[in-house]
Amino acid sequence: KQEVTQIPAALSVPEGENLVLNCSFTDSAIYNLQWFRQDPGKGLTSLLLIQSSQREQTSGRLNASLDKSSGRSTLYIAASQPGDSATYLCAVIRGGSEKLVFGKGMKLTVNP
Amino acid sequence: DTEVTQTPKHLVMGMTNKKSLKCEQHMGHRAMYWYKQKAKKPPELMFVYSYEKLSINESVPSRFSPECPNSSLLNLHLHALQPEDSALYLCASSQVAGTGEQYFGPGTRLTVT
Repeated sequence: KQEVTQIPAALSVPEGENLVLNCSFTDSAIYNLQWFRQDPGKGLTSLLLIQSSQREQTSGRLNASLDKSSGRSTLYIAASQPGDSATYLCAVIRGGSEKLVFGKGMKLTVNP
Repeated sequence: DTEVTQTPKHLVMGMTNKKSLKCEQHMGHRAMYWYKQKAKKPPELMFVYSYEKLSINESVPSRFSPECPNSSLLNLHLHALQPEDSALYLCASSQVAGTGEQYFGPGTRLTVT
């Protein structure tokens, strides 16, 4: 059974820091991995999708990497801003499955 | 346009009421999903529709009844809910079930009194 872990559960940093968010999964037979952002009481916003054949994806200040063999992904946020404060979730989907398996999320607070 | 819309934004209903949640996407996606999210927890999958047919029901109680009238529209009919069903209900869509990026709507905040 696939399990996705995000550690730590919460992180508080001053503005301007470069951040690394971690995600690990137990079954390396994934089809893709997706990073989401969720603001309180809102829906999920897709940030980046990495296919299993890819090593990384970039969008603006965000860069996500994938190491399938070790079961790890990282989300790098450059020059963090207070507006980055949110809960970040990673989720994986197995080949042949229709079900996203989510981590429990990491609550990020960026202080001005 | 990568937008999934959901109505209503908020819903308060009694345990004897019948209500429906609506979800719509116009991205040409052929897979649509219902998730339930409790506070400080990740979303839990409830149902998956693929090409307008129900492909996954995650053992959801029958008081929740999904419907996919066409490829752009997904409904969730609610009847005789319990207070513990209060949650954020999220709809999502993707190009094809099991592949590609999932796009989520803003959710419906449901309170059962």
